[in-house]
Amino acid sequence: RKEVEQDPGPFNVPEGATVAFNCTYSNSASQSFFWYRQDCRKEPKLLMSVYSSGNEDGRFTAQLNRASQYISLLIRDSKLSDSATYLCVVNMEGSYIPTFGRGTSLIVHP
Amino acid sequence: ETGVTQSPTHLIKTRGQQVTLRCSSQSGHNTVSWYQQALGQGPQFIFQYYREEENGRGNFPPRFSGLQFPNYSSELNVNALELDDSALYLCASSFVDYTEAFFGQGTRLTVV
Repeated sequence: RKEVEQDPGPFNVPEGATVAFNCTYSNSASQSFFWYRQDCRKEPKLLMSVYSSGNEDGRFTAQLNRASQYISLLIRDSKLSDSATYLCVVNMEGSYIPTFGRGTSLIVHP
Repeated sequence: ETGVTQSPTHLIKTRGQQVTLRCSSQSGHNTVSWYQQALGQGPQFIFQYYREEENGRGNFPPRFSGLQFPNYSSELNVNALELDDSALYLCASSFVDYTEAFFGQGTRLTVV
């Protein structure tokens, strides 16, 4: 089983839709979690950190479920500009070496 | 812009050759991590440098080596290039606790 798993998609949604991605991790000692966004042929950019209590930034909401070992990203009111690959990143406790998932592709169409 | 720059942006090499990729970190950051990203995959961790010492290494053979300089910039060296080394190579600048990492634009390496 891979350390960090994501459904590669693509998720194809119309503008204005709400879409959610999950990311599962295998190591229960995982300590910190992030979502990155990567546009085609560009570098990854931090979208948001994921806190135990969950956090929200505008249309984006990230949540952590430690019992089931997954994190989620919810995007409300999707925009065309949200089309990208969303990478899940997990750090294990005591390690500063992050593990990336393979990413989930989102395509928002008119 | 993140302030992390990589050079060159594109490179074509022949199998068996050696290559050096460069990365300048964001001002104030003391840690540089290198990743290999194949098409359709997530970035795979190669190694990390903190204060000029290797601070962790992923599952890559010894022909992948690196350096970090006193100004925290870094190099990735790959010897005896193989066709499977063709990928986007990313460096990320951060503090050692990786609270937030900033990536350079990457070097796209093609081995023929």
